[in-house]
Amino acid sequence: KNEVEQSPQNLTAQEGEFITINCSYSVGISALHWLQQHPGGGIVSLFMLSSGKKKHGRLIATINIQEKHSSLHITASHPRDSAVYICAVPYSGGGADGLTFGKGTHLIIQP
Amino acid sequence: EPEVTQTPSHQVTQMGQEVILRCVPISNHLYFYWYRQILGQKVEFLVSFYNNEISEKSEIFDDQFSVERPDGSNFTLKIRSTKLEDSAMYFCASSEVAEHSTNEKLFFGSGTQLSVL
Repeated sequence: KNEVEQSPQNLTAQEGEFITINCSYSVGISALHWLQQHPGGGIVSLFMLSSGKKKHGRLIATINIQEKHSSLHITASHPRDSAVYICAVPYSGGGADGLTFGKGTHLIIQP
Repeated sequence: EPEVTQTPSHQVTQMGQEVILRCVPISNHLYFYWYRQILGQKVEFLVSFYNNEISEKSEIFDDQFSVERPDGSNFTLKIRSTKLEDSAMYFCASSEVAEHSTNEKLFFGSGTQLSVL
């Protein structure tokens, strides 16, 4: 079973700052997910990536498969980016399995 | 955008009672999942379901849990005899292809908050 570690657990920054959230996992994977959980509890899938880098608007996700590490970056952060950001990897790596989630990074962007 | 629908949004039950949580996945999706999140803790995988059978389950998904796709649209999670520790937010999710596929996107419902008294 894969283990997921995220850092930092909590992050408070000022509007406009560049944000980096890190994720490491214990077992080799085919793909990694980044998700966002809103204050109301809803979960939204942001990215799924298996290599290199993906960009969506102000969000950039990178992964290094050899080092078992991924980062999520937010450029020009805004208060509406305040949420919990969660890294997740396949639960056991086979078939249509579920995800093992990290504990999440609670991000607050202050105006 | 298409969405996964969960009902009810809140469910209160007495310990020992059976509850059924309901989900309507996105219509062309083939893979279905249940997750739970105990207050203040991380989201935990319960079970995945494909082709009318369980594909994978976690150690949490013991004999008191069961899943069913009774018709072409609903996907249900049944907890047979609820315990206090079953109190959590339960999320249903669905995807068109398997989660390990590189082009897959996972869609979550807004959750059912289960409170066991």
